[in-house]
Order: sequence, then C-alpha cells, then structure tokens
Amino acid sequence: ETGVTQTPRHLVMGMTNKKSLKCEQHLGHNAMYWYKQSAKKPLELMFVYSLEERVENNSVPSRFSPECPNSSHLFLHLHTLQPEDSALYLCASSQEKAGVGEQYFGPGTRLTVT
Amino acid sequence: GNSVTQMEGPVTLSEEAFLTINCTYTATGYPSLFWYVQYPGEGLQLLLKATKADDKGSNKGFEATYRKETTSFHLEKGSVQVSDSAVYFCALSQNTPLVFGKGTRLSVIA
Repeated sequence: ETGVTQTPRHLVMGMTNKKSLKCEQHLGHNAMYWYKQSAKKPLELMFVYSLEERVENNSVPSRFSPECPNSSHLFLHLHTLQPEDSALYLCASSQEKAGVGEQYFGPGTRLTVT
Repeated sequence: GNSVTQMEGPVTLSEEAFLTINCTYTATGYPSLFWYVQYPGEGLQLLLKATKADDKGSNKGFEATYRKETTSFHLEKGSVQVSDSAVYFCALSQNTPLVFGKGTRLSVIA
C-alpha cells in the first residue's frame, strides 16, 4: 500500500448504529487530519492530530470520536449519527507538525446515514 | 483570520480552451499557497504549490503564480482536456492546517 488509505470506501448506517472509519498513512508523516465534505459546502476540518496528540477539535459533535493510536493510524468512531452527517469523510496526513506544508489525502469514505 | 476566495463554478469549457480559475486570499505575512484537484469519486490531490512571493508552481500543464501585491494565486492552463474535468480547490497554510476555498467545478467537453 502507498499513500493514504481509507476503509471502508462506502458505508450505510442507521441512526442507532455504531461504526468506525479507518485511515492509514504509509508516508512516515507526523500529523493526521479528518475532514468532512458535504455537497455545496466548503471542506470542514474536524480533527487534527500531531505526533498522536489531538491539537485541534473544531466544535465537532460528540457523536464523532477520533482515535489516533500511533502516527500511522487514525480512526473516527461514529455513534447515533443524524441524516445530516451523510457526507464524504476525508483523511489526510502531513510531514511536518500540523499546519506546515502540504497534506496528502485518502480517497475518502462515503457515509450515508439512514 | 485567514481565508481563501475562489471563483464560483461551475466552469464549462471546450477541449483545448484556455482555463483560468481565480483565487485570492486574506492573510498576514506570507502564507504558502496550494492548488488541489479532486477527480470524481476520489480524494484531493496536490496539484501545485508556491511558498513565497513571485514563485510559480506548475504541474501537468497547470500553472499559478504567487502574487503578493494582489494577494492572488490564479490557476491557468493553456489547453484543457476532457480528463481535466474535476473540482479545483485553492488553499493556504500559515502555521495552521490548510484553509480551503469552496472549490470550483470544471467540466471540459469534447
């Protein structure tokens, strides 16, 4: 595997389900990010991890819970979501500390909440 | 705070036409500037970047020049192809995570 991978690529879940999104970066980077991309809205930065510590949490509802067990893996745990949470969730990583230099993105997980 | 404004889409062009997508930014000092591209069903890919004033980033026939005096980083390509159809995002970074514009959808028709 190369670059940034995300699984699953597509996910349909009910509002009472619990699921997790997984991201893995194979680039030796130090920082990882979760973004939400909804139709006709700008990209929304959700969480930032730098050296496995959460450094930014942009007022994201608690039904989204991130986890970064090591510098290569990032999870987004989902529970009791709402239909408006349906979106493309993108993971990214960067070489430098969070916020310096370009980010490399995964292909995203298309989430549908029914 | 820092922000990026890019032209509203969608933009529809015929193959081999000239492309310009405007991008202006608001920031103090000298941010790094980026263009990302998102093809259908995929994540964002870095297209090009510039880290200081008057730098020109280029890749795959696309170019953008960092203009401090006009706080702009317009994306240009001399002859677009159908395969360039995608959404293009302008972004900046200044010791913060990337700040993105809203994206401009480009459709190129044969």
